[in-house]
Amino acid sequence: DTEVTQTPKHLVMGMTNKKSLKCEQHMGHRAMYWYKQKAKKPPELMFVYSYEKLSINESVPSRFSPECPNSSLLNLHLHALQPEDSALYLCASSRLADYEQYFGPGTRLTVT
Amino acid sequence: QQQVKQSPQSLIVQKGGISIINCAYENTAFDYFPWYQQFPGKGPALLIAIRPDVSEKKEGRFTISFNKSAKQFSLHIMDSQPGDSATYFCAATGNAGNMLTFGGGTRLMVKP
Repeated sequence: DTEVTQTPKHLVMGMTNKKSLKCEQHMGHRAMYWYKQKAKKPPELMFVYSYEKLSINESVPSRFSPECPNSSLLNLHLHALQPEDSALYLCASSRLADYEQYFGPGTRLTVT
Repeated sequence: QQQVKQSPQSLIVQKGGISIINCAYENTAFDYFPWYQQFPGKGPALLIAIRPDVSEKKEGRFTISFNKSAKQFSLHIMDSQPGDSATYFCAATGNAGNMLTFGGGTRLMVKP
């Protein structure tokens, strides 16, 4: 099973709201990733977690706050977002010793 | 040096034809080159990948050709089908943290 699940599928939020995106995988992968993808563009890496610890933060604004509660779950907490943050947010996972990353279906976020 | 350049940006092929997408990279430390297929509103799906110790890898109708000296690799889709219509991203990695560097993407349309 190479499935990464993400909830919700769609999210509309105002600029003053606080919301969270959730990602889950049961493949035993110890690396998990958050990407942001704008229309007609490739995914842009935001964060990488290795063994539940944040290992890479690609200079992402603090209004995005990642969390890895356990080896299967990855959250992205959102607060005070801007309309330009509207995008498809993708989660991915991989084995640490393996380059193959498996992506979830994404959460389509709209900030109004 | 981290760039991966992908061409063409868009491609229209007749059903049954061959689709060819090209990528070029600069960083000689890259040693893993995956291709992802993405349908509208979905996450990227790993299609096929190659390492530089081989010059070609085939999986069904999909073939990667790799030219290490030219630092180029390409995806060939044989007998292209309308169901292949999607956006294709090449990528490369080889550094710590499994950070994928994506090409800009190619929107493929296969006409019936």
